Amino acid sequence: QVQLVESGGGVVQPGGSLRLSCAASGFTFSSYGMHWVRQAPGKGLEWVAFIRYDGSNKYYADSVKGRFTISRDNSKNTLYLQMNSLRAEDTAVYYCAKSSGALYPTEVNYWGQGTLVTVSS
Amino acid sequence: QSALTQPPSASGSPGQSVTISCTGTSSDVGGYNYVSWYQQHPGKAPKLMIYEVSKRPSGVPDRFSGSKSGNTASLTVSGLQAEDEADYYCSSYAGSNGGYVFGTGTKVTVL
Repeated sequence: QVQLVESGGGVVQPGGSLRLSCAASGFTFSSYGMHWVRQAPGKGLEWVAFIRYDGSNKYYADSVKGRFTISRDNSKNTLYLQMNSLRAEDTAVYYCAKSSGALYPTEVNYWGQGTLVTVSS
Repeated sequence: QSALTQPPSASGSPGQSVTISCTGTSSDVGGYNYVSWYQQHPGKAPKLMIYEVSKRPSGVPDRFSGSKSGNTASLTVSGLQAEDEADYYCSSYAGSNGGYVFGTGTKVTVL
């Protein structure tokens, strides 16, 4: 069965950096696009970034463009999110999510359980 | 990349139907047939309920249906059950510049 396990969350000071990882199993990781989606406490879902199956193209929300970088290592079945210049408004549960397609950011058919990132001094 | 607009809340009695709207623009909902709907119970990860406007993943009851007209998509839940009480989010592909966008979310209450 599909499993997505996030790690790397925690407490970080404003302006700091953090790298999230997502270990994928139960499907051919290298064949699918992957998303990061976040949800601030008590708020709605916000799409963060998407990467194509082969890493050749990446898409970002305006709110994180230039600060966050999505990447993947298909040899390790792992997705990453490098987060720099963190702000209080980046505080959220970050979900790793599998797209049903390979090329474009379309529907998510599997979600991880999320990892909490708290940006606070 | 503005969030798609959904009503904050909707409700119905068991057995009734409820319809949730999701309004975007011609750059997202109106421009592509890649509208999806997700259900989220408190403290849980979202679950895909509808994709490509009106398709249901395996295991999703046929009480859930989706449609689209112009820049507005809709999710209808027929024969409401207690377990349908949850938050619902629409989403859409928004092109190579827009990426992907979620709706503002609707809390469905079963009275």
